[in-house]
Amino acid sequence: SAVISQKPSRDICQRGTSLTIQCQVDSQVTMMFWYRQQPGQSLTLIATANQGSEATYESGFVIDKFPISRPNLTFSTLTVSNMSPEDSSIYLCSVERGNYGYTFGSGTRLTVV
Amino acid sequence: GENVEQHPSTLSVQEGDSAVIKCTYSDSASNYFPWYKQELGKGPQLIIDIRSNVGEKKDQRIAVTLNKTAKHFSLHITETQPEDSAVYFCAASRDNYGQNFVFGPGTRLSVLP
Repeated sequence: SAVISQKPSRDICQRGTSLTIQCQVDSQVTMMFWYRQQPGQSLTLIATANQGSEATYESGFVIDKFPISRPNLTFSTLTVSNMSPEDSSIYLCSVERGNYGYTFGSGTRLTVV
Repeated sequence: GENVEQHPSTLSVQEGDSAVIKCTYSDSASNYFPWYKQELGKGPQLIIDIRSNVGEKKDQRIAVTLNKTAKHFSLHITETQPEDSAVYFCAASRDNYGQNFVFGPGTRLSVLP
């Protein structure tokens, strides 16, 4: 299955600032997915990122708050904008690997103070 | 939309005993059901999955059963070991390869030595 590298692994940020999370995959993939996992909770899909087109956002998530870039078939970024303490979560990227299902990165643990 | 429930939320078993986690889903069109294991500080890892054309699938100590009529599926872990301790998530998707997942709330499994 694909190897996914996420950076940073964790960060502590001041409220009102923005953080950009990077996701690098070791092979080309059509779709990349961004999830949020709030403390002690399950995973919620934020958006789907296809190369060459705008990301598709799930209900409750908007582009102004979570802008996403997908410049090529192996890389994507998620920005958490104008952060508040409620944005403290683990953010995970994931890729589809056909018959291997989804592979997840190790996540970015964000704390907003 | 799809809703996935998962029980129990926490489960403690003695090493060597079996563990069973159950999930129900609401969308009869769902046809792909993966199970993920998430260890502390790591991203979710796919451990087994089942598609709607199969009633049971086994991989060494892990098995999954699916009852499409009742819309529920279960994870069975036999001969549990301390390293099985983790949070387990079930998920359901109406796409063949798991796009548009809905995850269950998770089960924290503790295997006591």
